[in-house]
Formats: sequence, C-alpha cells, structure tokens
Amino acid sequence: EVQLVESGGGVVRPGGSLRLSCAASGFTFDDYGMSWVRQVPGKGLEWVAGINWNGGSTGYADSVKGRFTISRDNAKNSLYLQMNTLRAEDTALYHCASNSSSWYDYWGQGTLVTVSS
Amino acid sequence: SYVLTQPPSVSVAPGKTARVTCGGNNIGSKNVHWYQQKPGQAPVVVIHYDTDRPSGIPERFSGSNSGNTATLSISRVEAGDEADYYCQVWDTSSGPWVFGGGTKLTVL
Repeated sequence: EVQLVESGGGVVRPGGSLRLSCAASGFTFDDYGMSWVRQVPGKGLEWVAGINWNGGSTGYADSVKGRFTISRDNAKNSLYLQMNTLRAEDTALYHCASNSSSWYDYWGQGTLVTVSS
Repeated sequence: SYVLTQPPSVSVAPGKTARVTCGGNNIGSKNVHWYQQKPGQAPVVVIHYDTDRPSGIPERFSGSNSGNTATLSISRVEAGDEADYYCQVWDTSSGPWVFGGGTKLTVL
C-alpha cells in the first residue's frame, strides 16, 4: 500500500522556522518527482515547491522563493521542506505528493502549519 | 502566469450528469488532470491526460479538452460523488504546477 505521511507541522510565530518531513512507503521513491502542495483550510490547492527524482532540480512558487527549501533523501525514502521567515499567509495544510509524469499519483493527508503571534 | 478558472460550485440531482469546467487560454493545447477531494481526505486523481481514467476510477467519470475549456463529466451522479474537484496543468512558463480554484459539487 502506498503511503505518504507528513509530519513536523505546528504553531510558530511570524519570522520563525519549521521543517516538514514526508515519509514514503509502498512504491519506489526514487522513481518519482516530489512536491509540497499547500491548502488553506476550506480553500484551494497551491503548489509550493517541487524536486526531481535525484534532487538535482528544484522549483519554487514565487510566494516562497528564497524562504523555503525542498530536499530529499532517497536512502531514507523521505522528503523535506525547510521553511524560514514564516508569515501569517503561510498558514495552511501542507501535503506532499509524488509524480511520475505531469500529474500527482499519490498524496499524503497533510500536516498543519499555523503561523500566529 | 497561466490561470485556470473553475466555477465555485455545481449542483446536480442524483442520477443526472454533472459537468465541471476548467477555463484557460488555449487549454486545449495542454494536458489537463482532474482531482477529487472529499472532506478531510487527500486529493485523488480521477482523470489524467484529458481523458484517461486511472485504474479504480468508475467509468462514470470522463474528461474532454478543447479550445479554451476542459470539462470533467460525471454521469449517473451518486451521493458519494459529492466533493471538491480541481483541474491541474503543467505549464513551464508558470508554477509549473498550476491548479484551478476548485469546484464544489453538491448532489441535491
């Protein structure tokens, strides 16, 4: 069974940092690109960052560029998102998702990040 | 940046056909993918490459894409189809992962 399980969310003050993790199982992790997609509760999906199968190529939404860093460890079947200089507008449920082509095959349930003073 | 426009809501009676549209500039030249998201759950792809159904998705789900509009059609709608539906494209001049704003399907 394919599983993507996110962790690391929580409450953080504006300007603070947080590191999210995504543990993958049930599929060949290094055959897939990976992304973080966020969703404000009750709102739509927003792509945040993506990384190719070997970590050699990454991309970021303009809203997080320079503040967030995506990385992966294929030996540990894990994906990460280092989030710095957090803002209130970064408050959302963060999903990790895998892609073998131009759509997302698998999604995790998400981990909630709340940025509040 | 590339923008995908969906109606916020669509309502349909059980047994009828629901159509959810996704508008974009010359979207017919792109591959469109559709996701279903039920409350409290992760999204699930229901259509990829405009018209292809992944295994396990009922034949009642179909897609089309031409001109400036892509459409997800759900025939013989059931109560269990009630969910939010999102279209998505890959656009190298944008994100590149671009999502529509989502459509809430209500089964009357």
